[in-house]
Amino acid sequence: QVQLQESGPGLVKPSETLSLTCAVSGDSISSSDWWTWVRQPPGKGLEWVAEIFHSGNTNYNPSLRSRATISIDRSKNQLSLRLRSVTAADTAVYYCARLQGDYLYFDDWGQGTLVTVSS
Amino acid sequence: DIQMTQSPSSLSASVGDRVTITCRTSQTISNYLNWYQQKPGKAPQLLIYAASNLQTGVPSRFSGSGSGTDFTLTISNLQPEDFATFYCQQSYSSPRYSFGQGTKLEIK
Repeated sequence: QVQLQESGPGLVKPSETLSLTCAVSGDSISSSDWWTWVRQPPGKGLEWVAEIFHSGNTNYNPSLRSRATISIDRSKNQLSLRLRSVTAADTAVYYCARLQGDYLYFDDWGQGTLVTVSS
Repeated sequence: DIQMTQSPSSLSASVGDRVTITCRTSQTISNYLNWYQQKPGKAPQLLIYAASNLQTGVPSRFSGSGSGTDFTLTISNLQPEDFATFYCQQSYSSPRYSFGQGTKLEIK
């Protein structure tokens, strides 16, 4: 089973850029389907953020208004997320997850990393 | 976008009970519906995929059914470790995945 481990700054100031990485172990990031980011504001539900295919194709949640960039570093076997111009509304636990199967389900998740946007 | 509505938002039940959680979608999604369980402070875990297929390792007391716009997650013989929040998720409108708002299952 693949293992996913997120890392990030914990605290980001409003209007700055949030940068997260997700280290993948137990499988090559080039061998599987889609790799994604999902976030969850404190006490609220889940929101899909972005996905990237191992070939580099990307898709984003339109609600993020082009602020997000997802990428893969095959040499490090990790994926990354950058979210520009953050506001308090971007405060959330950010999870990386693998999307698999014909029915596109999130079958492996990292433990999540809390990012707080505050001055 | 496809809207997901779960009901109830919360419910209380006792160990040994049978409970049913419903997920309704704003348009037909065939069986592109997955269910997750999330315990406090933990990542969600996949329970059911494609509406009725049990993920490997998930106890058989969990089951899913439905197609089109109406789906159910049933937990039979509730165990103490089952109390958590449950989410449905549609992948029909890939890549615009969406989740239900969640159903919190508490011990009565």
